[in-house]
Amino acid sequence: GAVVSQHPSWVICKSGTSVKIECRSLDFQATTMFWYRQFPKQSLMLMATSNEGSKATYEQGVEKDKFLINHASLTLSTLTVTSAHPEDSSFYICSARDLSRNTEAFFGQGTRLTVV
Amino acid sequence: AQSVTQLGSHVSVSEGALVLLRCNYSSSVPPYLFWYVQYPNQGLQLLLKYTTGATLVKGINGFEAEFKKSETSFHLTKPSAHMSDAAEYFCAVSDPTGGGNKLTFGTGTQLKVEL
Repeated sequence: GAVVSQHPSWVICKSGTSVKIECRSLDFQATTMFWYRQFPKQSLMLMATSNEGSKATYEQGVEKDKFLINHASLTLSTLTVTSAHPEDSSFYICSARDLSRNTEAFFGQGTRLTVV
Repeated sequence: AQSVTQLGSHVSVSEGALVLLRCNYSSSVPPYLFWYVQYPNQGLQLLLKYTTGATLVKGINGFEAEFKKSETSFHLTKPSAHMSDAAEYFCAVSDPTGGGNKLTFGTGTQLKVEL
């Protein structure tokens, strides 16, 4: 299957700082990327959907000014957690699809964010 | 709106025994259905999916699932469990009228395989 690489795999940051997480599709063009958040022992909650070159569509209850998503190219999307707080600590997972070829969604390996 | 219910947050089986993980869905339109596996601190890997056609779907690692419209179910089975099957399993549904774009996940089932 196609490969989606997420970086970093884990990060620890101080409260008030910003953290950027990258999601790259390595061998296909990702027309659409999805960002999920997963709390311990819970399911994945969709945060936002981004289409290349367009603004992201955020799910209800997700602060767009806090979770900045950029999808400037067909192989890269970034999620920036701004002014991070301990409650933002979570496992963040991206997935990518090529809707022009109607591919399935391929998932990155996730990023464990800990805010101290 | 769509939703997924996975009965049993934890399932424990003996190695070699049948694995059955339950998934029921709610959807106003015929859905696409998926099963994913997640190993600790990793992303999700697709096990199998149902879109159209044959209702019994075979996936990787010996898993299969059957779409039963009358029961709104998509249970995951494997005839003989292996230690390496221990992981978290997620059932998901999407709306094909929206291009199958957005996945709604169940709460997951942790599978434990014992000797």
